[in-house]
This record gives sequence, structure tokens and C-alpha cells, in this order.
Amino acid sequence: NFMLTQPHSVSESPGKTVTISCTGSSGSIASNYVQWYQQRPGSAPTTVIYEDNQRPSGVPDRFSGSIDSSSNSASLTISGLKTEDEADYYCQSYDSSNLVVFGGGTKLTVL
Amino acid sequence: QITLKESGPTLVKPTQTLTLTCTFSGFSLSTSGVGVGWIRQPPGKALEWLALIYWNDDKRYSPSLKSRLTITKDTSKNQVVLTMTNMDPVDTATYYCAHTLTLFGGVIGNFDYWGQGTLVTVSS
Repeated sequence: NFMLTQPHSVSESPGKTVTISCTGSSGSIASNYVQWYQQRPGSAPTTVIYEDNQRPSGVPDRFSGSIDSSSNSASLTISGLKTEDEADYYCQSYDSSNLVVFGGGTKLTVL
Repeated sequence: QITLKESGPTLVKPTQTLTLTCTFSGFSLSTSGVGVGWIRQPPGKALEWLALIYWNDDKRYSPSLKSRLTITKDTSKNQVVLTMTNMDPVDTATYYCAHTLTLFGGVIGNFDYWGQGTLVTVSS
């Protein structure tokens, strides 16, 4: 079964840049689009990146997404960190049968 | 404006069947490319995709839960219903429904609109 692996947690200071990885267990992560969702406590997830590197309207350009085929990973990079960015982040893609797969989530602490 | 809202029981007993309804507005499930999915999240844990139904009645299920899940749609009522049989305490979670659009080639798109979620507790 295709799986997406994320670090359990990351932390960084305000104003800095942080990158969250999402590694595919098999195949090529570049073959299928990756989405990134932000989830604040008590709220539903919202999209911050879709189709690998596209930002929905209203999402600041401090958020960016990329794919690294050599490591079979997707990455979410947040620059100019703000305390409001503190949240859980989930990557999502799909497998060869077009079934949805979520990563295990990464807790971002901005301290 | 697209909105979705989940409804159903907040408490179910072990072995019972859970029925959840997603009532939506702002789009039609008879429009080509539209899909509605269900995702759940146990307290303090990660998101888990459950099922997805498309405008053409194509249905997809999580392989690990497929035997317990059924997803249906009622286009006239703008509703999607998920049933999960043989509930267990480990199924305690917040259940979300979400809107998606398929991309070229039928590839699943982004879950761009989510309901607020409904917490279901499984306990005797």
C-alpha cells in the first residue's frame, strides 16, 4: 500500500523559514499531484497548496510547495514564519488505483 | 458559495451501524467532475480518508475499511450518505465530508471545501 511519511513535528522561530517533507513509500511521487492542508485546533483542514505548488486565493505567498524526484518527496516551505502558522500540516496524494492517501501529519510549532 | 455540513448520531454502541449524512449547497453532484469524499480524524490523530463518490456514481473506498463502508448520493436532496457497519470504539473520530473536482484523466483533485465535522463516539 502506498504511504506518505511526514516528520511528526518541526519547530522554528518567527521570521524564519521551515520546510516540511512528505515522502512517498513507492513509485514516483512526481507522478501524482500532492496537496497540503493546514489544520488549526478545533477546525477543519484548509488547503494551502494544491497540485504540487499552486496556492489557493487568500493563501500568502509565504507558502510554497515543491517536488523532489530524487528523494521521492514533496515539500511544503513556509517563509517569514508567523505565530499564526502554528498548526498541523498534512500532505495528501493518491495511489496507482486513484485512491486518496494522507500523510501522518506534522505539528508545526512557532516559538 | 460552497458549503457542506455533516449530520448524524453523536454516540453509537459497539457493533451498531453508523449512518452519516453530508448536506451541501453551492454545487451539484450531477455536474461532471464533481466528487464528495469522507475523511475522519480520531482525537489527537491524523486524517484518514474513507470514501469518495463522483458525479457519475463511481465510488472509491479505503482498502482497509472497504468491507464496512457504503457511500451513496441523493442528487435531488444535495446529500451524500456514508454508512459504516460494525462500529468499534477505535472508530471514535470526527467525521468530515469534503468537495473535490476531478482533474484531467479522472485524477482526484484537491479537497477544496470541507464541512465543520461531526464527532462520533463509539461506546456502550
